[in-house]
Amino acid sequence: QKEVEQNSGPLSVPEGAIASLNCTYSDRGSQSFFWYRQYSGKSPELIMSIYSNGDKEDGRFTAQLNKASQYVSLLIRDSQPSDSATYLCAVPHDRMKTSYDKVIFGPGTSLSVIP
Amino acid sequence: DAGVTQSPTHLIKTRGQQVTLRCSPKSGHDTVSWYQQALGQGPQFIFQYYEEEERQRGNFPDRFSGHQFPNYSSELNVNALLLGDSALYLCASSSITGGGQDTEAFFGQGTRLTVV
Repeated sequence: QKEVEQNSGPLSVPEGAIASLNCTYSDRGSQSFFWYRQYSGKSPELIMSIYSNGDKEDGRFTAQLNKASQYVSLLIRDSQPSDSATYLCAVPHDRMKTSYDKVIFGPGTSLSVIP
Repeated sequence: DAGVTQSPTHLIKTRGQQVTLRCSPKSGHDTVSWYQQALGQGPQFIFQYYEEEERQRGNFPDRFSGHQFPNYSSELNVNALLLGDSALYLCASSSITGGGQDTEAFFGQGTRLTVV
């Protein structure tokens, strides 16, 4: 049974700071990793995907992957109040495919950016 | 271009009743997946439909069933409702590429089901 774990939070950071969100996964064979953002009462939205060890940057977001440690993180630079949401880490149900829509989600980390 | 649409948005049912939730995928998508998200939890994969057949199923009892129509829309049916079935039910659509991989999935806004 694959598992994805995250600190549930809430994580509070001041506006302009770096928010660091962490995730660990149980299946050493997982190849793809996703970060979703979910605003309260809304549906999840894919914001980052990462497949190789190291860092992947997209605007203010950086995803970091360490397969040896089975650890993936999301950094949000210059955090804004609009970043306040729950961030969900996910891995594909089928490790052999980049299955965006059959994924195992972690419980999510609630982020609050304080103005 | 309409995204993924779900209906109804909210629903209240009594324990033991049956419920049907509906999902229309994003234009150009042919695959529909259903998730259950309990309050404070991440979404849990229920099953996926492609070519009108269930492709894969998560760890949910047979009370949860589904259907996909020729126009790719889908229904989720839950029989003998339990209080624990109260959750946000999300539908996600995608399409299968020529290489067998799934494209990015887009989620609908969900149906909030309350069982009393």
